[in-house]
Amino acid sequence: DAGVIQSPRHEVTEMGQEVTLRCKPISGHDYLFWYRQTMMRGLELLIYFNNNVPIDDSGMPEDRFSAKMPNASFSTLKIQPSEPRDSAVYFCASSPSRASGISQYFGPGTRLLVL
Amino acid sequence: QQQVKQSPQSLIVQKGGISIINCAYENTAFDYFPWYQQFPGKGPALLIAIRPDVSEKKEGRFTISFNKSAKQFSLHIMDSQPGDSATYFCAPGFQKLVFGTGTRLLVSP
Repeated sequence: DAGVIQSPRHEVTEMGQEVTLRCKPISGHDYLFWYRQTMMRGLELLIYFNNNVPIDDSGMPEDRFSAKMPNASFSTLKIQPSEPRDSAVYFCASSPSRASGISQYFGPGTRLLVL
Repeated sequence: QQQVKQSPQSLIVQKGGISIINCAYENTAFDYFPWYQQFPGKGPALLIAIRPDVSEKKEGRFTISFNKSAKQFSLHIMDSQPGDSATYFCAPGFQKLVFGTGTRLLVSP
Protein backbone atom coordinates (compact mmCIF):
# COMPACT_ATOMS: atom_id res chain seq x y z
CA ASP A 1 0.00 0.00 0.00
CA ALA A 2 1.24 3.51 -0.79
CA GLY A 3 0.24 4.86 2.60
CA VAL A 4 -1.55 8.16 3.15
CA ILE A 5 -0.94 10.53 0.25
CA GLN A 6 -0.99 14.29 0.63
CA SER A 7 -0.64 17.02 -1.92
CA PRO A 8 0.91 19.41 -2.41
CA ARG A 9 3.96 18.70 -0.25
CA HIS A 10 4.86 22.38 -0.13
CA GLU A 11 2.71 25.44 -0.69
CA VAL A 12 3.72 29.08 -0.63
CA THR A 13 0.96 31.62 -1.02
CA GLU A 14 0.16 35.21 -0.25
CA MET A 15 -2.14 36.41 2.46
CA GLY A 16 -5.75 36.45 1.34
CA GLN A 17 -5.42 33.65 -1.16
CA GLU A 18 -7.38 30.41 -0.99
CA VAL A 19 -5.42 27.28 -0.13
CA THR A 20 -6.61 23.73 -0.70
CA LEU A 21 -4.83 20.76 0.80
CA ARG A 22 -5.62 17.25 -0.39
CA CYS A 23 -5.48 13.83 1.19
CA LYS A 24 -5.97 10.27 0.02
CA PRO A 25 -6.31 7.88 2.97
CA ILE A 26 -5.24 4.27 3.03
CA SER A 27 -7.79 2.12 1.26
CA GLY A 28 -10.23 0.49 3.66
CA HIS A 29 -9.65 2.89 6.53
CA ASP A 30 -12.85 4.27 8.03
CA TYR A 31 -11.40 7.25 9.88
CA LEU A 32 -9.64 10.31 8.52
CA PHE A 33 -7.99 13.03 10.58
CA TRP A 34 -6.57 16.46 9.81
CA TYR A 35 -3.84 17.84 12.10
CA ARG A 36 -1.80 21.00 12.19
CA GLN A 37 1.73 21.17 13.62
CA THR A 38 3.55 24.32 14.68
CA MET A 39 6.42 25.00 17.03
CA MET A 40 4.23 27.11 19.28
CA ARG A 41 1.14 24.91 19.50
CA GLY A 42 2.51 21.45 18.77
CA LEU A 43 0.32 18.90 17.04
CA GLU A 44 -3.36 19.83 17.06
CA LEU A 45 -6.33 17.83 15.82
CA LEU A 46 -8.46 20.00 13.56
CA ILE A 47 -11.25 17.64 12.47
CA TYR A 48 -11.94 13.99 11.93
CA PHE A 49 -14.33 11.95 9.80
CA ASN A 50 -15.83 8.52 10.16
CA ASN A 51 -17.17 6.91 6.99
CA ASN A 52 -16.96 10.30 5.23
CA VAL A 53 -19.04 12.06 7.91
CA PRO A 54 -17.46 14.80 10.06
CA ILE A 55 -17.55 13.67 13.68
CA ASP A 56 -15.68 16.36 15.56
CA ASP A 57 -14.62 19.72 14.14
CA SER A 58 -14.03 21.43 17.47
CA GLY A 59 -10.38 21.93 16.63
CA MET A 60 -11.03 23.94 13.48
CA PRO A 61 -9.64 27.36 14.37
CA GLU A 62 -12.26 29.55 12.71
CA ASP A 63 -14.67 29.88 9.82
CA ARG A 64 -11.84 30.41 7.38
CA PHE A 65 -11.13 26.69 7.65
CA SER A 66 -13.35 24.05 6.10
CA ALA A 67 -12.93 20.34 5.41
CA LYS A 68 -14.79 17.92 3.21
CA MET A 69 -14.71 14.24 2.48
CA PRO A 70 -16.83 13.61 -0.63
CA ASN A 71 -15.89 9.93 -0.77
CA ALA A 72 -13.87 7.31 1.06
CA SER A 73 -10.70 7.98 -0.90
CA PHE A 74 -10.44 11.77 -0.85
CA SER A 75 -10.55 14.68 1.55
CA THR A 76 -9.75 18.37 1.34
CA LEU A 77 -8.87 21.03 3.87
CA LYS A 78 -9.49 24.54 2.61
CA ILE A 79 -8.36 27.85 4.06
CA GLN A 80 -10.05 30.94 2.66
CA PRO A 81 -8.75 33.58 3.06
CA SER A 82 -5.32 32.49 4.26
CA GLU A 83 -3.32 34.45 6.84
CA PRO A 84 0.36 34.34 7.86
CA ARG A 85 -0.57 32.69 11.17
CA ASP A 86 -1.87 29.70 9.21
CA SER A 87 1.70 28.82 8.27
CA ALA A 88 2.29 25.30 9.58
CA VAL A 89 2.67 21.70 8.55
CA TYR A 90 -0.70 20.07 7.94
CA PHE A 91 -0.97 16.32 8.33
CA CYS A 92 -3.65 13.96 7.22
CA ALA A 93 -3.94 10.58 8.96
CA SER A 94 -6.23 7.59 8.58
CA SER A 95 -7.06 4.60 10.71
CA PRO A 96 -9.03 1.39 10.45
CA SER A 97 -12.28 0.80 12.27
CA ARG A 98 -12.67 1.71 15.93
CA ALA A 99 -12.39 -1.91 17.03
CA SER A 100 -8.76 -2.02 15.98
CA GLY A 101 -7.70 0.76 18.28
CA ILE A 102 -5.80 3.80 17.47
CA SER A 103 -3.18 2.94 14.87
CA GLN A 104 -3.33 6.22 13.02
CA TYR A 105 -1.19 6.32 9.90
CA PHE A 106 0.09 9.76 9.06
CA GLY A 107 0.87 11.18 5.65
CA PRO A 108 4.09 13.10 4.91
CA GLY A 109 2.40 16.44 5.51
CA THR A 110 1.94 19.66 3.56
CA ARG A 111 4.23 22.51 4.57
CA LEU A 112 2.27 25.72 4.14
CA LEU A 113 3.83 29.17 4.16
CA VAL A 114 1.55 32.19 3.94
CA LEU A 115 3.40 35.40 3.18
CA GLN B 1 -10.02 18.57 30.78
CA GLN B 2 -7.71 16.82 28.32
CA GLN B 3 -4.37 18.28 29.30
CA VAL B 4 -1.35 16.11 28.58
CA LYS B 5 2.06 16.97 30.01
CA GLN B 6 5.19 15.40 28.60
CA SER B 7 8.72 15.57 30.01
CA PRO B 8 11.53 16.23 29.45
CA GLN B 9 11.34 18.60 26.47
CA SER B 10 14.70 17.39 25.24
CA LEU B 11 17.05 14.58 26.11
CA ILE B 12 20.60 13.68 25.21
CA VAL B 13 21.67 10.08 25.79
CA GLN B 14 24.87 8.24 25.02
CA LYS B 15 24.72 5.36 22.60
CA GLY B 16 23.84 2.22 24.53
CA GLY B 17 22.15 4.14 27.33
CA ILE B 18 18.54 4.17 28.46
CA SER B 19 16.18 6.93 27.34
CA ILE B 20 13.15 7.63 29.52
CA ILE B 21 10.28 9.92 28.56
CA ASN B 22 7.29 10.58 30.78
CA CYS B 23 3.68 11.53 30.12
CA ALA B 24 1.04 12.67 32.61
CA TYR B 25 -2.63 13.05 31.72
CA GLU B 26 -5.76 14.22 33.48
CA ASN B 27 -8.65 12.69 31.60
CA THR B 28 -9.58 9.38 33.24
CA ALA B 29 -11.72 8.51 30.20
CA PHE B 30 -8.64 7.83 28.10
CA ASP B 31 -8.43 4.15 27.30
CA TYR B 32 -5.47 3.85 24.96
CA PHE B 33 -1.94 5.11 25.53
CA PRO B 34 0.34 5.24 22.47
CA TRP B 35 3.74 6.73 21.81
CA TYR B 36 4.51 8.19 18.40
CA GLN B 37 7.93 8.76 16.83
CA GLN B 38 8.57 11.56 14.35
CA PHE B 39 11.67 12.10 12.24
CA PRO B 40 12.38 15.52 10.69
CA GLY B 41 10.30 16.12 7.59
CA LYS B 42 8.08 13.09 8.24
CA GLY B 43 4.71 12.46 9.80
CA PRO B 44 4.45 10.86 13.24
CA ALA B 45 4.43 7.06 13.26
CA LEU B 46 3.00 4.78 15.92
CA LEU B 47 5.84 3.27 17.93
CA ILE B 48 4.18 1.32 20.72
CA ALA B 49 0.90 1.47 22.63
CA ILE B 50 -0.67 0.05 25.77
CA ARG B 51 -4.18 -0.48 27.12
CA PRO B 52 -4.98 0.40 30.75
CA ASP B 53 -5.55 -3.21 31.81
CA VAL B 54 -1.80 -3.95 31.74
CA SER B 55 1.05 -2.19 33.52
CA GLU B 56 3.85 -2.84 31.07
CA LYS B 57 4.37 -3.72 27.42
CA LYS B 58 7.67 -4.47 25.73
CA GLU B 59 8.46 -4.54 22.03
CA GLY B 60 12.11 -5.06 21.29
CA ARG B 61 14.09 -2.22 22.85
CA PHE B 62 10.96 -0.19 23.57
CA THR B 63 8.90 -0.54 26.76
CA ILE B 64 5.83 1.29 28.00
CA SER B 65 5.20 1.43 31.73
CA PHE B 66 1.71 2.46 32.79
CA ASN B 67 0.60 3.69 36.22
CA LYS B 68 -3.16 4.09 36.14
CA SER B 69 -3.53 5.42 39.68
CA ALA B 70 -0.95 8.12 39.07
CA LYS B 71 -2.31 8.83 35.58
CA GLN B 72 1.15 8.53 34.10
CA PHE B 73 2.87 6.41 31.50
CA SER B 74 6.42 6.36 30.28
CA LEU B 75 8.51 5.21 27.34
CA HIS B 76 11.81 3.45 27.95
CA ILE B 77 14.28 2.94 25.12
CA MET B 78 16.93 0.42 26.03
CA ASP B 79 20.33 0.33 24.33
CA SER B 80 19.58 3.66 22.64
CA GLN B 81 21.00 4.06 19.14
CA PRO B 82 21.77 7.13 17.01
CA GLY B 83 18.91 6.02 14.71
CA ASP B 84 16.51 6.57 17.63
CA SER B 85 17.20 10.31 17.47
CA ALA B 86 13.77 11.76 16.81
CA THR B 87 10.89 13.56 18.51
CA TYR B 88 8.61 11.38 20.62
CA PHE B 89 5.00 12.18 21.45
CA CYS B 90 2.65 10.58 23.92
CA ALA B 91 -0.91 10.74 22.63
CA PRO B 92 -3.48 9.27 25.01
CA GLY B 93 -7.10 9.00 23.96
CA PHE B 94 -8.92 6.61 21.68
CA GLN B 95 -9.97 7.67 18.20
CA LYS B 96 -9.41 11.24 19.22
CA LEU B 97 -5.78 11.61 20.29
CA VAL B 98 -4.42 14.34 22.51
CA PHE B 99 -0.76 14.80 21.67
CA GLY B 100 1.82 15.82 24.24
CA THR B 101 4.25 18.63 23.50
CA GLY B 102 6.96 16.25 22.35
CA THR B 103 10.43 15.23 23.52
CA ARG B 104 13.38 15.72 21.25
CA LEU B 105 15.80 12.83 21.77
CA LEU B 106 19.40 12.94 20.61
CA VAL B 107 21.48 9.80 20.94
CA SER B 108 25.14 10.64 20.68
CA PRO B 109 27.48 8.13 19.00
